[in-house]
Amino acid sequence: GNSVTQMEGPVTLSEEAFLTINCTYTATGYPSLFWYVQYPGEGLQLLLKATKADDKGSNKGFEATYRKETTSFHLEKGSVQVSDSAVYFCARVMNTGFQKLVFGTGTRLLVSP
Amino acid sequence: EAGVTQFPSHSVIEKGQTVTLRCDPISGHDNLYWYRRVMGKEIKFLLHFVKESKQDESGMPNNRFLAERTGGTYSTLKVQPAELEDSGVYFCASSPTEGRNTEAFFGQGTRLTVV
Repeated sequence: GNSVTQMEGPVTLSEEAFLTINCTYTATGYPSLFWYVQYPGEGLQLLLKATKADDKGSNKGFEATYRKETTSFHLEKGSVQVSDSAVYFCARVMNTGFQKLVFGTGTRLLVSP
Repeated sequence: EAGVTQFPSHSVIEKGQTVTLRCDPISGHDNLYWYRRVMGKEIKFLLHFVKESKQDESGMPNNRFLAERTGGTYSTLKVQPAELEDSGVYFCASSPTEGRNTEAFFGQGTRLTVV
């Protein structure tokens, strides 16, 4: 298999709430994993990445740990802000290498004041 | 340094017409990728250029789609004739070299609406 599955949205939270967006993948081997974010009106931006098992990627208060046992890469943030409202995409590199990516369907996060 | 730029940002065309999307990668990036997100679904890989050569076009949906990258710089993606199901957001990305620690940089996307 060559897929990425992430939880459906929208996820609606109040400011300062804890965030988890689940992501699981299928793969042969241990591909690099990514979270991309798309803020309203903007393009895709790399949020964080992990290139091997047990790595933890982190950026802007977000974290995700590469779990090979559960083939997961869940995104977490301890205290969300209104400015975190965006669509978040989990992705993995294809087995063929380069930076060709397989994406999940995206999860929209809405944070209210 | 300029990022990946795409033009136009939005395009509305009628079924049967032709549309050409353009992507300017980051200068010096040999790898250029096209992706598409249709109707809020996952972002799907379309094709990959290494310089001017098509390295992988396995994701191209059908022969109504034609991608070029003459001279290994900017790329165009032409849809001819466009169909309703071609509506979506088309993303372009570029990366400098192959390797586990390289990163693909994405453009803002072109939102295509076929009516």
